[in-house]
Amino acid sequence: SFDLIQPPSLSVSPGQTASVTCSGDKLGSKLVSWYQQRPGRSPVLVIYNDDKRPSGIPERFAGSNSGNTATLTISETQAVDEADFYCQAWDTTTAVFGGGTRLTVL
Amino acid sequence: EVQLVESGGGLVQAGGSLRLSCAATGFSFSTYAMSWVRQAPGKGLEWVAVISGSGHETYSADSVKGRFSISRDHSKQMLFLQMDRLRAEDTATYFCAMDMWFGALSLTFDYWGQGALVIVSS
Repeated sequence: SFDLIQPPSLSVSPGQTASVTCSGDKLGSKLVSWYQQRPGRSPVLVIYNDDKRPSGIPERFAGSNSGNTATLTISETQAVDEADFYCQAWDTTTAVFGGGTRLTVL
Repeated sequence: EVQLVESGGGLVQAGGSLRLSCAATGFSFSTYAMSWVRQAPGKGLEWVAVISGSGHETYSADSVKGRFSISRDHSKQMLFLQMDRLRAEDTATYFCAMDMWFGALSLTFDYWGQGALVIVSS
């Protein structure tokens, strides 16, 4: 198995860009997904296969993955983006989530 | 519209058993892998187990291996998680989640249920 490391928290001002990182050994060789979870709600997939957005996810959400780090970038951050964000990767038989990053928009 | 609805959560004593169910509607159930993902109170997400669309392949996290068993019933469009020898650290909300890709096991989850709370008292 493998570990994915995320910073516990991140603060950003409205309208600014938020970059949430996810680190793991040779993470660039795996496919990474990102999930947004608002308080009391189920997770929502916002990025899959490193940089693909599911239907309905705003273009403000973008992903990248290279080397040992994957990054979720949220442009023009809005109050509605405030949530916990989790990265996730998998090998053939195991899925692993990062510890999560709480994004605060203030 | 895809819908996943979990049931069967509740309070159980350590060492006991519980069976979670997930009713799936709105898609061709037998062609998508399904997983259980849990979240302890105030904590992050933890993948628990996956079952292939056919039901022939199952895999689980080391933390539950030998105690939890995932299964599915295609005729009823239901996913199950049998949890035995429960421990206090199994206390969590358990989500069922649908794999994103038709006919594959990609462990990428694009639909989630609302979750079922399991509390294991010690």
